[in-house]
Amino acid sequence: RKEVEQDPGPFNVPEGATVAFNCTYSNSASQSFFWYRQDCRKEPKLLMSVYSSGNEDGRFTAQLNRASQYISLLIRDSKLSDSATYLCVVRGGGFKTIFGAGTRLFVKA
Amino acid sequence: GAGVSQSPSNKVTEKGKDVELRCDPISGHTALYWYRQRLGQGLEFLIYFQGNSAPDKSGLPSDRFSAERTGESVSTLTIQRTQQEDSAVYLCASSSRLAGPLLDTDTQYFGPGTRLTVL
Repeated sequence: RKEVEQDPGPFNVPEGATVAFNCTYSNSASQSFFWYRQDCRKEPKLLMSVYSSGNEDGRFTAQLNRASQYISLLIRDSKLSDSATYLCVVRGGGFKTIFGAGTRLFVKA
Repeated sequence: GAGVSQSPSNKVTEKGKDVELRCDPISGHTALYWYRQRLGQGLEFLIYFQGNSAPDKSGLPSDRFSAERTGESVSTLTIQRTQQEDSAVYLCASSSRLAGPLLDTDTQYFGPGTRLTVL
């Protein structure tokens, strides 16, 4: 079993739609969680950290469920510019950072 | 200010040759990571440096891979006797990792990567 698992997609949604991605992790001792965004042939960039209480940044909402060991990302009112690969990232108490393989999103006009 | 830079941006080499990849982190960042990303796949952790502490080498796939970092500056990733399966984009990231309750704000800033092709 992979340490961090994501549905690879692709998710094809129209502009304005709401889309949600889930990510599961296997290490119950994991302490820090993030969503990164990676555009085609570009480096990953931090989208948002994920806090236990859940957090929102504009159209983006992240949730963490420690009991079930999953993280979610909700995107409301999708824009064409949201088309990218979304990477779930988990770090335990040490230094090693585990990236999921990513979920591809295509937003269509 | 300047971000993370990596060189070369592209490297084509023949099987069996050694290659050296360079990463210049953001000034003042104590933590430095190397990752490998094969085509269409996710990032694979290779190695982590934090200040003058012993590096975490747990992700290095074989003894052909090694990395060094001088203090909190430049890092080099060396691949000896390259194989075709080493072909990938090698990404470097740095962060101003802090100990204690701010661990969850450890944002990693990535360089543009080095695209390695082994013929």
